[in-house]
Amino acid sequence: QKEVEQNSGPLSVPEGAIASLNCTYSDRGSQSFFWYRQYSGKSPELIMFIYSNGDKEDGRFTAQLNKASQYVSLLIRDSQPSDSATYLCAVHSGGGADGLTFGKGTHLIIQP
Amino acid sequence: SQTIHQWPATLVQPVGSPLSLECTVEGTSNPNLYWYRQAAGRGLQLLFYSVGIGQISSEVPQNLSASRPQDRQFILSSKKLLLSDSGFYLCAWSLGGAGEQFFGPGTRLTVL
Repeated sequence: QKEVEQNSGPLSVPEGAIASLNCTYSDRGSQSFFWYRQYSGKSPELIMFIYSNGDKEDGRFTAQLNKASQYVSLLIRDSQPSDSATYLCAVHSGGGADGLTFGKGTHLIIQP
Repeated sequence: SQTIHQWPATLVQPVGSPLSLECTVEGTSNPNLYWYRQAAGRGLQLLFYSVGIGQISSEVPQNLSASRPQDRQFILSSKKLLLSDSGFYLCAWSLGGAGEQFFGPGTRLTVL
């Protein structure tokens, strides 16, 4: 059974600070890792994906992957109130068209 | 650019009634297509995926079925809805690659 674990939160971060979101996964064969942002009542929006150990930066967002520890994280720098949302971690086994396995998400609140 | 449509946006149905949700993708050919369900307090659950016309893989045994009559059309159906079928139904597409998937706006289904 493939599992993806996230702290449900809420995680409260002051505006302008760094928000750190974490995720662990159970399947060592997982190949690709994704972060989605989901606003209340809306569908998930892909923010970033990573498949190599280390860091990947895109604007204010940095994804970090440690396959040995089966750990993925997302850092949001200079947090803005518009970043308040639920962040979903998802994992792909690398089996071509297979679906993603999602965590339940972390609810992030950026306090002005 | 690619766009994905789902309809209806919201639906309220009585227990035992049939269901048909439709998803279409524009701007791409031969996408992989997926149906997920997001129930209250739960993560996204993969229901079905399809790699081509008429090809359906089921991930969870249930009273739902899926069909792909055209390359860019994916349909989710049920003959008799259960209360437990309530949730947010999301269609997604992918071209493979690292497995990144892009979601449609979703259909919110309430079964009474």
